[in-house]
Amino acid sequence: KQEVTQIPAALSVPEGENLVLNCSFTDSAIYNLQWFRQDPGKGLTSLLLIQSSQREQTSGRLNASLDKSSGRSTLYIAASQPGDSATYLCAVCSGYSTLTFGKGTMLLVSP
Amino acid sequence: KAGVTQTPRYLIKTRGQQVTLSCSPISGHRSVSWYQQTPGQGLQFLFEYFSETQRNKGNFPGRFSGRQFSNSRSEMNVSTLELGDSALYLCASSFAVSTDTQYFGPGTRLTVL
Repeated sequence: KQEVTQIPAALSVPEGENLVLNCSFTDSAIYNLQWFRQDPGKGLTSLLLIQSSQREQTSGRLNASLDKSSGRSTLYIAASQPGDSATYLCAVCSGYSTLTFGKGTMLLVSP
Repeated sequence: KAGVTQTPRYLIKTRGQQVTLSCSPISGHRSVSWYQQTPGQGLQFLFEYFSETQRNKGNFPGRFSGRQFSNSRSEMNVSTLELGDSALYLCASSFAVSTDTQYFGPGTRLTVL
């Protein structure tokens, strides 16, 4: 059974810092890994999708890496802003469009 | 183009009642998945539908059921509601290939009293 773990559970940084969120999964037989952002009480916004054959994906200030063999992914956020404050969720797809989620990292960026 | 829509956005029910939630996927998407989000358990997979067929099901009791219509719209039903069913129910859609990005709706907040 696939299990996804995210570390840290919460993170507080001052504006402008670069930061890294970590995600690990137990079964390397995945189709892809997706990072989401969730604002309080809202749905999920897709940030980045990394296919199992890829090593990294970039979008603006975000960069996600994937090491399938070791079961790890990182989300790098450059020059953090208060608007980046949210919960970041990592999810892996092991088939049939079914996602297994981590518990998330709650990020607070203070001005 | 329009995103995933879910109705209603908020629901309050009492124990023992039943509830039906609706999800309209992005136009052209044929796969619809449902997830339950609670503070304690996080996001858990309920079921996934493609072309009106359930392809995958999570570890939830039979009180949770769903269906998909020919236009890809989906509904989920929870019968005999329990207090523990209070949660945010999220729907996601994709083109159906497992390599596709999943797009989520805003969710339905269900409160069971």
